[in-house]
Amino acid sequence: DGGITQSPKYLFRKEGQNVTLSCEQNLNHDAMYWYRQDPGQGLRLIYYSQIVNDFQKGDIAEGYSVSREKKESFPLTVTSAQKNPTAFYLCASSATGGDEKLFFGSGTQLSVL
Amino acid sequence: QKEVEQDPGPLSVPEGAIVSLNCTYSNSAFQYFMWYRQYSRKGPELLMYTYSSGNKEDGRFTAQVDKSSKYISLFIRDSQPSDSATYLCAIAYTGNQFYFGTGTSLTVIP
Repeated sequence: DGGITQSPKYLFRKEGQNVTLSCEQNLNHDAMYWYRQDPGQGLRLIYYSQIVNDFQKGDIAEGYSVSREKKESFPLTVTSAQKNPTAFYLCASSATGGDEKLFFGSGTQLSVL
Repeated sequence: QKEVEQDPGPLSVPEGAIVSLNCTYSNSAFQYFMWYRQYSRKGPELLMYTYSSGNKEDGRFTAQVDKSSKYISLFIRDSQPSDSATYLCAIAYTGNQFYFGTGTSLTVIP
């Protein structure tokens, strides 16, 4: 089945630690995205990538980093510089060229120990 | 001004009721309109997708776009307890720039 796989489902971060959230898609989509969702708030864009080896900062990129070495994969690293990392993280992907539908993974809940 | 505004609710209705969820948007250049359903601690699921204006129907769900008023709606007929979730509207330009409402929490009471 085609889709977006995020792992792990739950992740705990210790003070000063970097953690990486995995996102893999087999939809053959060019564009991939990372969003952060906090209770009572809308989705906020962290980073996005329209093509392999290229990515752009979103609205809240500080304290996060990404890579896009393969079309299928777009991992997100939450660095120690992100002082308030507790949130629900969503990976998404879309085709390009006029089919603007966004599909989401199942999410990763990150909490601070 | 935010690109898209959505009443957060919460909205509580009895089973079988017709539910109306709404969003307004600011820029008439938006062309793609989506509704997502999100259960607690799950990823949003694409429910309805509309390009440009008009209505689209899928089972108990109808999506409506009024470009003259910059207003989009999702109607749920014969609502069921399983429809209890948060509903997100989303709009986009060509070029994969998506903007989301904050979501409306819906509870359908048996």
